[in-house]
Amino acid sequence: DIVVTQSPDSLAVSLGERATINCKSSQSVLSDGNYKNHLAWYQQKPGQPPKLLIYWASIRESGVPDRFSGSGSGTDFTLTISSLQAEDVAVYYCQQYYNTRAFGQGTKVEIK
Amino acid sequence: ELQLVESGGGLVQPGGSLRLSCAASGFPFSQFDMSWVRQTPGKGLEWVSGIGGSGLSTFYADSVKGRFRISRDNSKNTLYLQMSSLRADDTAVYYCARGLLALDFWGQGTLATVSS
Repeated sequence: DIVVTQSPDSLAVSLGERATINCKSSQSVLSDGNYKNHLAWYQQKPGQPPKLLIYWASIRESGVPDRFSGSGSGTDFTLTISSLQAEDVAVYYCQQYYNTRAFGQGTKVEIK
Repeated sequence: ELQLVESGGGLVQPGGSLRLSCAASGFPFSQFDMSWVRQTPGKGLEWVSGIGGSGLSTFYADSVKGRFRISRDNSKNTLYLQMSSLRADDTAVYYCARGLLALDFWGQGTLATVSS
């Protein structure tokens, strides 16, 4: 099974600064069939369920602010928040859906 | 308005059974694959099971295969998860979510606690 590992486990960023979260899969999640990376990113705030931010590694879900972006291919992926806002404090998860399904352990984003 | 409302959680003894339900509204339920995902403080998010829109295709994580059964009733817009032979490590908040690949909408979750 594909294991997904995020780094760092937590980070503190000043308001308006960039936040970068990494996600590494133990095998490639790039499909030969559709040439897409089977990877999603979610945001979870305290007391709430996860919310989909990004799918196919780089496609922003409808309604998600454009300060959120996803990049990467194969085994290495990144979620970037270009200018951190107070409402972005949350835990962020990546998930591969190439082979069964697996989530990363989460990255907690706080304000510095 | 999209809604997924889980119910059926509670306290059950090890070896016991529990049936979770997820009532869907605000979208054409039968046209969407659905999944169950659980969350614990220690193990984070874990995908548990998924089902195709027609109900004919089902998928399970190895950790629950043979013990859990996913099903749906499209006439009632409801998703189910029958959990049997429950163990302490099945204790979690169980979410239903729309989709089988990226999960684009989640319910609020229901807590299932397995303890004697």
